[in-house]
Amino acid sequence: SQELEQSPQSLIVQEGKNLTINCTSSKTLYGLYWYKQKYGEGLIFLMMLQKGGEEKSHEKITAKLDEKKQQSSLHITASQPSHAGIYLCGADGSGNTGKLIFGQGTTLQVKP
Amino acid sequence: GAVVSQHPSRVICKSGTSVKIECRSLDFQATTMFWYRQFPKQSLMLMATSNEGSKATYEQGVEKDKFLINHASLTLSTLTVTSAHPEDSSFYICSARARTGPRGQYFGPGTRLTVT
Repeated sequence: SQELEQSPQSLIVQEGKNLTINCTSSKTLYGLYWYKQKYGEGLIFLMMLQKGGEEKSHEKITAKLDEKKQQSSLHITASQPSHAGIYLCGADGSGNTGKLIFGQGTTLQVKP
Repeated sequence: GAVVSQHPSRVICKSGTSVKIECRSLDFQATTMFWYRQFPKQSLMLMATSNEGSKATYEQGVEKDKFLINHASLTLSTLTVTSAHPEDSSFYICSARARTGPRGQYFGPGTRLTVT
């Protein structure tokens, strides 16, 4: 079965610093989703990547999917306290069925 | 756009009772909705896939008689936890996949179930 490994598991950065979160899959990804979650709340959809080499940006967050479609990275530029939360990558590994499996999450703290 | 709501947001019930959780796609139609469960400080685990007009499909290890799913329309799916026990206490989150357009998957705000 497919597994997603996120790194790091937790991250503390100073406000204004850049950071990167990685998501590695044991199998080829058919679709890779990035979400943000505050503890005890729902998931906020950030981006979806489907094509090898694809890159998308929204405000200060950029997500990339490598050419082999087995690794994705989420990069935050000039982090702010509002970026704090849990970042989850999810993958549709079973051929676009919509069934997502998730990485274990990366907890981000941004110190003012 | 792409808003998914859940109701209730929190529920406390006594052991042995049943609880119904609603998941609605507010501004799009969703032929498929998914139910996830999340334990404290853990990631989401898919429980079942809910298809409009047909029976839900359950992931391995999920009791279909305990977690009843009904997908009555293109905008509503319900999860009923029957004869709830304290070990069913968890955070339940639904997601909906748009029928047309970009196939993003959007999540509801979650329902915190506590069984006493």
